[in-house]
Amino acid sequence: GAGVSQSPRYKVAKRGQDVALRCDPISGHVSLFWYQQALGQGPEFLTYFQNEAQLDKSGLPSDRFFAERPEGSVSTLKIQRTQQEDSAVYLCASSSLGGTRSYNEQFFGPGTRLTVL
Amino acid sequence: TQLLEQSPQFLSIQEGENLTVYCNSSSVFSSLQWYRQEPGEGPVLLVTVVTGGEVKKLKRLTFQFGDARKDSSLHITAAQPGDTGLYLCAGAVDYGQNFVFGPGTRLSVLP
Repeated sequence: GAGVSQSPRYKVAKRGQDVALRCDPISGHVSLFWYQQALGQGPEFLTYFQNEAQLDKSGLPSDRFFAERPEGSVSTLKIQRTQQEDSAVYLCASSSLGGTRSYNEQFFGPGTRLTVL
Repeated sequence: TQLLEQSPQFLSIQEGENLTVYCNSSSVFSSLQWYRQEPGEGPVLLVTVVTGGEVKKLKRLTFQFGDARKDSSLHITAAQPGDTGLYLCAGAVDYGQNFVFGPGTRLSVLP
């Protein structure tokens, strides 16, 4: 497809369950970002990849959160032992340019809505 | 404490009215972006401003970056129901840094 896709679109998990969220960026895009958007809030940065290298993971809230992009295209965000406070929309964005991130247009996917019961 | 504040939080107006929403911070930004997000979708970039005092127009939308690069406004003329959505501003403190998003203004334009 032409845009960023994410799957699943909706995920319901029981507390303590592990989940994996997938992001397919626009083909050829160098940069990939993950954001967490709580209800009624703006997106909050989680982590950033340039190709397969994870250059910034300062936004990951705990060591239960792990992201990878092994071949520099598809990325997976994994959350272990989910907690209720992990309930949010997880957004993925990609950008055609690498290096410095300001000024680059990020193209967002529709997000995965995670609900932890 | 939010790095970026947006006001108003909610706004409901009639079709054809004009409106302005604001994005404010105590920090100086090297660049600032405005996005619109519709329910069930990701944000879509509307504009990037980088120069203090800069004004950009996108059809009925006018964006202004404050002279001190600490604030920005978005003015919509003759609002239409299709303008309904969550308007987010996002600022980068330094070139090369990640953008930080504000909490958004939720706009509803009634026909």
